[in-house]
Amino acid sequence: AQSVTQPDIHITVSEGASLELRCNYSYGATPYLFWYVQSPGQGLQLLLKYFSGDTLVQGIKGFEAEFKRSQSSFNLRKPSVHWSDAAEYFCAVNDMRFGAGTRLTVKP
Amino acid sequence: DTEVTQTPKHLVMGMTNKKSLKCEQHMGHRAMYWYKQKAKKPPELMFVYSYEKLSINESVPSRFSPECPNSSLLNLHLHALQPEDSALYLCASSQDRGRWDTQYFGPGTRLTVL
Repeated sequence: AQSVTQPDIHITVSEGASLELRCNYSYGATPYLFWYVQSPGQGLQLLLKYFSGDTLVQGIKGFEAEFKRSQSSFNLRKPSVHWSDAAEYFCAVNDMRFGAGTRLTVKP
Repeated sequence: DTEVTQTPKHLVMGMTNKKSLKCEQHMGHRAMYWYKQKAKKPPELMFVYSYEKLSINESVPSRFSPECPNSSLLNLHLHALQPEDSALYLCASSQDRGRWDTQYFGPGTRLTVL
């Protein structure tokens, strides 16, 4: 069955530190993969997406993600986190099947 | 303009009320979506409209009735809801129904059913 898993429910990082949010998928073929961010009480905003080509994808707000077929992963990274990055992050596949989300807290 | 607007922002209704949620986009998108999001949960797809025709209904109870009067407007009519239907209802649109098309989300309507 198709699924997407975000193993970390909540992550806390210090401002300026690097960030990696994990996403694992289970799908028969190479899926379309997405990362969205949701600020409290708001809709979702697309950060980046991947289907084929270069496995390192650049997105908005300084985020990037790397597709690793061998690990069925599509992890989101940012080299230096800003306080405004505190939000909920969702990984999604194909038909908008979302992972459970990872809540990011940024410490001053 | 990449904005999807939703009205109202908040709605409180009783179980016997009839109300409607409205979603509008002026980006020329031909696909529009309704999602339901419970607190601390991911969005769940409810309906998809493509070229003003309902193309996906994710087994949503009939007390939720979508309507797409034109390519810019999407409504969700609510009737005889249950308290467990309280949630954030998100609307989204995309250029087309393709899996690659970026979905643009509105801010949502926070619905409380008493």
